[in-house]
Amino acid sequence: DARVTQTPRHKVTEMGQEVTMRCQPILGHNTVFWYRQTMMQGLELLAYFRNRAPLDDSGMPKDRFSAEMPDATLATLKIQPSEPRDSAVYFCASGLVRTLSYEQYFGPGTRLTVT
Amino acid sequence: AQSVTQPDIHITVSEGASLELRCNYSYGATPYLFWYVQSPGQGLQLLLKYFSGDTLVQGIKGFEAEFKRSQSSFNLRKPSVHWSDAAEYFCAVSGAGSYQLTFGKGTKLSVIP
Repeated sequence: DARVTQTPRHKVTEMGQEVTMRCQPILGHNTVFWYRQTMMQGLELLAYFRNRAPLDDSGMPKDRFSAEMPDATLATLKIQPSEPRDSAVYFCASGLVRTLSYEQYFGPGTRLTVT
Repeated sequence: AQSVTQPDIHITVSEGASLELRCNYSYGATPYLFWYVQSPGQGLQLLLKYFSGDTLVQGIKGFEAEFKRSQSSFNLRKPSVHWSDAAEYFCAVSGAGSYQLTFGKGTKLSVIP
């Protein structure tokens, strides 16, 4: 049963610290998405990659957030420095883009708390 | 810009009763529509999707949804709700050539035994 995995599942950190979240997409998927979920804003797309190349990161605060895919099996989302307003659940999703048909498969999320 | 509205923040139904969750979308071209379910502490699971063809689509767990272009709606239905259906449900829209999903704010479903 292929799944998207995310680590860590929970992270508590102090303001100003660096946070790195990792995602392993489903093997063979060529598109990876990062979302942030909060009570106030709901689910927001932060960035996405296709074939490891960033296609859109316009939803991401550029001054402190960065997203990369060093290889096809690993996507990372980094926050430096972290702030209390970054507290949220961060989801990674992967998909296989085919003509007229694609689905996004979500990981379990990383719950981030910044104090 | 595309958008999704789920008018009901919270719905409570009795087990065995029928269910309809509303979703209205705004999209400039032919929409691709999705329903996802999120159980507490879990990621989102795809229930069903509409790309083209038959406007009534069947999904997993006994759910179905109907696409009505004239009403810009994609409502989710289930004839008989089970206690395990208690979760949050998200409607989402995308389109041909776009890999981005825009989600609604979600509808939380509670089921009374």
